[in-house]
Amino acid sequence: GAVVSQHPSRVICKSGTSVKIECRSLDFQATTMFWYRQFPKKSLMLMATSNEGSKATYEQGVEKDKFLINHASLTLSTLTVTSAHPEDSSFYICSASVVGHNEKLFFGSGTQLSVL
Amino acid sequence: AQSVTQPDIHITVSEGASLELRCNYSYGATPYLFWYVQSPGQGLQLLLKYFSGDTLVQGIKGFEAEFKRSQSSFNLRKPSVHWSDAAEYFCAVVAGMNYGGATNKLIFGTGTLLAVQP
Repeated sequence: GAVVSQHPSRVICKSGTSVKIECRSLDFQATTMFWYRQFPKKSLMLMATSNEGSKATYEQGVEKDKFLINHASLTLSTLTVTSAHPEDSSFYICSASVVGHNEKLFFGSGTQLSVL
Repeated sequence: AQSVTQPDIHITVSEGASLELRCNYSYGATPYLFWYVQSPGQGLQLLLKYFSGDTLVQGIKGFEAEFKRSQSSFNLRKPSVHWSDAAEYFCAVVAGMNYGGATNKLIFGTGTLLAVQP
């Protein structure tokens, strides 16, 4: 099946620094990538939808200047957490849709972000 | 608005026993429903999905789920649980499936944590 690679799997950073998370579709072209955030013992909450070549669409309550999303190609989307703070610590997961087959969604393995 | 409810936060079953995880959805039209499994610190793995057709859907790892429109439910079942099935399970519904565009956002339930006793 299709593979979505998310990197890094775990990152620890100091408060005030920025962290970039990459999401790559390895063997297919992804029209759309989605970024989710999961709090401990909570469900996944959609943060934003990113379409290749256009601006991301953010869900209500998600700060677009805080969570920068870039989807420069059909195989790569990045999420940058800018000026990270401890409250940004969370598990972030991306998913990708296959071009022409939007019913197929593939998830990355997630990134555990810890901000000290 | 679409929503998904998983009434059971935590379930413990004995190895070899049968399993049923509940999922109820709220959606005006025919829903597209999914079950995912998440092991600790890992991403999500799709177990099965329902789009249309046969209401009993077979998935991987011996799981199945039945779509019941009258009950707005999509419960996940497995006849005999293995210790390796211990994980968190998420039911999800697609909000606004669009084959031509890109609006297939997933709305997740809060998850059910499954523990398996020896």
